[in-house]
Amino acid sequence: GAVVSQHPSWVICKSGTSVKIECRSLDFQATTMFWYRQFPKQSLMLMATSNEGSKATYEQGVEKDKFLINHASLTLSTLTVTSAHPEDSSFYICSARARTATGELFFGEGSRLTVL
Amino acid sequence: GQNIDQPTEMTATEGAIVQINCTYQTSGFNGLFWYQQHAGEAPTFLSYNVLDGLEEKGRFSSFLSRSKGYSYLLLKELQMKDSASYLCAVTEQAGTALIFGKGTTLSVSS
Repeated sequence: GAVVSQHPSWVICKSGTSVKIECRSLDFQATTMFWYRQFPKQSLMLMATSNEGSKATYEQGVEKDKFLINHASLTLSTLTVTSAHPEDSSFYICSARARTATGELFFGEGSRLTVL
Repeated sequence: GQNIDQPTEMTATEGAIVQINCTYQTSGFNGLFWYQQHAGEAPTFLSYNVLDGLEEKGRFSSFLSRSKGYSYLLLKELQMKDSASYLCAVTEQAGTALIFGKGTTLSVSS
């Protein structure tokens, strides 16, 4: 089946620094990828839709200057958390939709960010 | 607006059957998905419904009624490994992101 790989799985950083998370579709091309955030014991909240070759579309309440998304190729999207603060600590998960009959999303392994 | 409701927690015993309900109110509808998520891991796809009726896949079945905005996930012959969070998600238009409910944490005991 389709595989989405995310890196790093865990990252700890100091407050004020920036962290980049990569999301790759390994065996298919993804013109669109989706970035979700999940706080403990809560559901996945859509942050933004990443479109290859164009600007990302952000959900209401998500700061586009803080969460920079780049989708430079059909297999790679990156999320950069800039000037991270402790409240940004969360589980970030990317996903992509392969050409399957059901159109389900395939998820990366997730990246757990802890900001000290 | 968008609203997807499912129970927060459920408990069951090994070998039993459990039904997890989901109701949704969205501006559009292009399919309903169920995902399983173990703690600290990414969600994995379980089922998809776009037409009314029951879809069966092994021990798991999913039902959809579009007129009622209602779905359920049925898990049979429960095993300890089925202890996880079950997420109901809806896509409003083809190709768009999934909107997730808050998830139902299922605890299976022996």
